Amino acid sequence: QLQLQESGPGLVKPSETLSLTCTVSGGSISSSSYYWGWIRQPPGKGLEWIGSIYYSGSTYYNPSLKSRVTISVDTSKNQFSLKLSSVTAADTAVYYCARRRTGGPIDYWGQGTLVTVSS
Amino acid sequence: QAVLTQPSSLSASPGASASLTCTLRSGINVGTYRIYWYQQKPGSPPQYLLRYKSDSDKQQGSGVPSRFSGSKDASANAGILLISGLQSEDEADYYCMIWHSSAGWVFGGGTKLTVL
Repeated sequence: QLQLQESGPGLVKPSETLSLTCTVSGGSISSSSYYWGWIRQPPGKGLEWIGSIYYSGSTYYNPSLKSRVTISVDTSKNQFSLKLSSVTAADTAVYYCARRRTGGPIDYWGQGTLVTVSS
Repeated sequence: QAVLTQPSSLSASPGASASLTCTLRSGINVGTYRIYWYQQKPGSPPQYLLRYKSDSDKQQGSGVPSRFSGSKDASANAGILLISGLQSEDEADYYCMIWHSSAGWVFGGGTKLTVL
């Protein structure tokens, strides 16, 4: 059974960089059939896609966040990571990592991790 | 204007049917897209329900009851999630999603379904 687990600090100061890692177990991140992505959800609000990465390293970012986002993959560790720079309180959210089948649905999600931006 | 628009809330009675809409922005043709539907309950990640593009291009999520189904209203440029035989456990937030070539994975704002 595939599992995704987010990890990283739960509290980040304004103007600093938010860094999260998603560890994939029960399957290989190097499969050509999937994209791996980050999605966030501010408290009480809807879902927002942040960006995605293919195992080859090709990345796709939400245009509204593109200038601040970097997603990378480490196939040797079966992990992919998110960096979001210059954070503000508006970046406070539950951050999910997820897998999307090529041409298909997002079929696996991590449990999510709450990141609060506050001094 | 948002790419995908969903009503913020909907209420329906147990045993009844609920039709949740996902309207695509003008200029984005619903007929072109696979629309994915997700259910989210408090404190949990979203769960995939189904995909609908046409009657010949649709998919039910694993273990998802057949009382959840998808359709489209081309005249309204909208995707529809129909839930029949509503149960109390169907009370949740529902999100639609598309893959858009320039905007990426796009989610609707979500509909909070209340079963009362």
